[in-house]
Amino acid sequence: AQSVAQPEDQVNVAEGNPLTVKCTYSVSGNPYLFWYVQYPNRGLQFLLKYITGDNLVKGSYGFEAEFNKSQTSFHLKKPSALVSDSALYFCAVRAARPNSGYALNFGKGTSLLVTP
Amino acid sequence: DTGVSQDPRHKITKRGQNVTFRCDPISEHNRLYWYRQTLGQGPEFLTYFQNEAQLEKSRLLSDRFSAERPKGSFSTLEIQRTEQGDSAMYLCASSLGLAGLNEQFFGPGTRLTVL
Repeated sequence: AQSVAQPEDQVNVAEGNPLTVKCTYSVSGNPYLFWYVQYPNRGLQFLLKYITGDNLVKGSYGFEAEFNKSQTSFHLKKPSALVSDSALYFCAVRAARPNSGYALNFGKGTSLLVTP
Repeated sequence: DTGVSQDPRHKITKRGQNVTFRCDPISEHNRLYWYRQTLGQGPEFLTYFQNEAQLEKSRLLSDRFSAERPKGSFSTLEIQRTEQGDSAMYLCASSLGLAGLNEQFFGPGTRLTVL
């Protein structure tokens, strides 16, 4: 089954510093990977996705992610963190079952805290 | 607002009662998903509709759960004889296109508390 793992429950970073939120995947076939962010009392918001092509994917709010096939990773990055980036981040992989509508299989999430 | 909407946002009920949630997807989206999210976990897939057809139900969806999407528009998720273990955030998402390569747009969720 397609799955992702987020090894860190929480990541702390100072404002202005670069941030990385880690994600590794396990799939059969090609991986289709997504990052979402969840703010309190709000739904999940799409950040970016990797389908094919360049290994560096650029997304919303200055975020980017690097797809690494050899390390089966898809880490989320941002060069300079903002306090407003503090939220819960989810990595997800597209399921392989057509009848699920290729639903998303999510990791357990990583809480990002950016301190002033 | 043309995003995905869900109603109610919060529901508190007593064990054994029935509850129904509604999801209004983005109007042109043919794909509709229900997920459940518990504290400290990522969302877990419950069921999927393509237009009005319910194509797959997760094993998480016991016989007490039923979902519909009449006319391929809004969807409802009903839980009968609620149990405390049903307490969770229920998320609805919609998307457009083939093969699930487009992003899913999520609603704000319905938080269910079963006392």
